[in-house]
Amino acid sequence: KQEVTQIPAALSVPEGENLVLNCSFTDSAIYNLQWFRQDPGKGLTSLLLIQSSQREQTSGRLNASLDKSSGRSTLYIAASQPGDSATYLCAVYNQGGKLIFGQGTELSVKP
Amino acid sequence: NAGVMQNPRHLVRRRGQEARLRCSPMKGHSHVYWYRQLPEEGLKFMVYLQKENIIDESGMPKERFSAEFPKEGPSILRIQQVVRGDSAAYFCASSPPVGTDTQYFGPGTRLTVL
Repeated sequence: KQEVTQIPAALSVPEGENLVLNCSFTDSAIYNLQWFRQDPGKGLTSLLLIQSSQREQTSGRLNASLDKSSGRSTLYIAASQPGDSATYLCAVYNQGGKLIFGQGTELSVKP
Repeated sequence: NAGVMQNPRHLVRRRGQEARLRCSPMKGHSHVYWYRQLPEEGLKFMVYLQKENIIDESGMPKERFSAEFPKEGPSILRIQQVVRGDSAAYFCASSPPVGTDTQYFGPGTRLTVL
């Protein structure tokens, strides 16, 4: 049974810092992995999707990496801003298309 | 191209009533997924539907919950005889028929059971 774990559960950093969010999964036979952002009381915004054959994806200040063999993904945020404050969710696609989510990392960027 | 639409955004029901949550997928998307986010918990898969078919309902509670995606109209998640433990945010996502597994999420329906 696939399980997804995100560490840390919460993170507080001063503005301008570079930071890394971690995601691990127990079954390496994933199809894809997706990172989302969720603001309080809101829906999910897709940030990056990494296909199983890819090692990383970049979008602006965000970079996500995937290492299937070790069951890990990281989300790197460069030059963090207060507007980056949100909960970041990692989710993996197994066969059949349903997403298995981690519990999320709650990020707070202090001005 | 409008995104995934869900309504209502907020729904209040008393114990024992029925709740109907609607999801209109993005244009051209024929796959719909429902997820539930209980307070202080992560998102959990409930059900995966294609037009007129339930593909995977392994995450649906055995009783009181049902889902459909008719040939015409939105997908409906129906909860009968709601209890306080059903209070949660219910998210719908849709994806295109082939070529990508990216799921696009709606804003969610927040159900409160009094």
